[in-house]
Amino acid sequence: AQKVTQAQTEISVVEKEDVTLDCVYETRDTTYYLFWYKQPPSGELVFLIRRNSFDEQNEISGRYSWNFQKSTSSFNFTITASQVVDSAVYFCALSEGGNYGGSQGNLIFGKGTKLSVKP
Amino acid sequence: DSGVTQTPKHLITATGQRVTLRCSPRSGDLSVYWYQQSLDQGLQFLIQYYNGEERAKGNILERFSAQQFPDLHSELNLSSLELGDSALYFCASSSGGTGGNTIYFGEGSWLTVV
Repeated sequence: AQKVTQAQTEISVVEKEDVTLDCVYETRDTTYYLFWYKQPPSGELVFLIRRNSFDEQNEISGRYSWNFQKSTSSFNFTITASQVVDSAVYFCALSEGGNYGGSQGNLIFGKGTKLSVKP
Repeated sequence: DSGVTQTPKHLITATGQRVTLRCSPRSGDLSVYWYQQSLDQGLQFLIQYYNGEERAKGNILERFSAQQFPDLHSELNLSSLELGDSALYFCASSSGGTGGNTIYFGEGSWLTVV
């Protein structure tokens, strides 16, 4: 069955520290997609990144970087030089391609990691 | 701004009542999804529509129903409300109906049942 695990419930760092948010996924599909979303205190869900299962290249966007490793079924998210505005709950999510009749299109979310960045 | 519009933003209602949440997807998106976020259950997929047709169903209660109209906007109807239905309800949209499409979320509708 498909599953996303974010083992870190809460993380607290001081501004300018680097922080890595872990995400481990389970799926039987060979084609799948991984996502990260940010939920700031205001409540909206903000899309950050999408990766497909055929592309293991790491990605960097400003202070954000993502490390996708199929061998360990992980898709970790690192924030470099964290800022107070990074304080939010971060969700990792999985969408399957449907090879085994699994979910198609909709997202399976992890429980989220609450990141607090102190000044 | 994701381009997905949800109304109302906040709603307080009594147990046993019925409410309707409304969603307008991003321009050009054919797929609409509904999710429920509660403290104990996290983010749960409820239902997906693609171009007016139901595409996938998740953990949606029988008291809840949804539809997508010809103009692609969608409504989620919640009836016989219980205290446990208090949650943040998200609508989301994507261009396609299968995996791989980026799903953009609205700001959510906060429902409080008292």
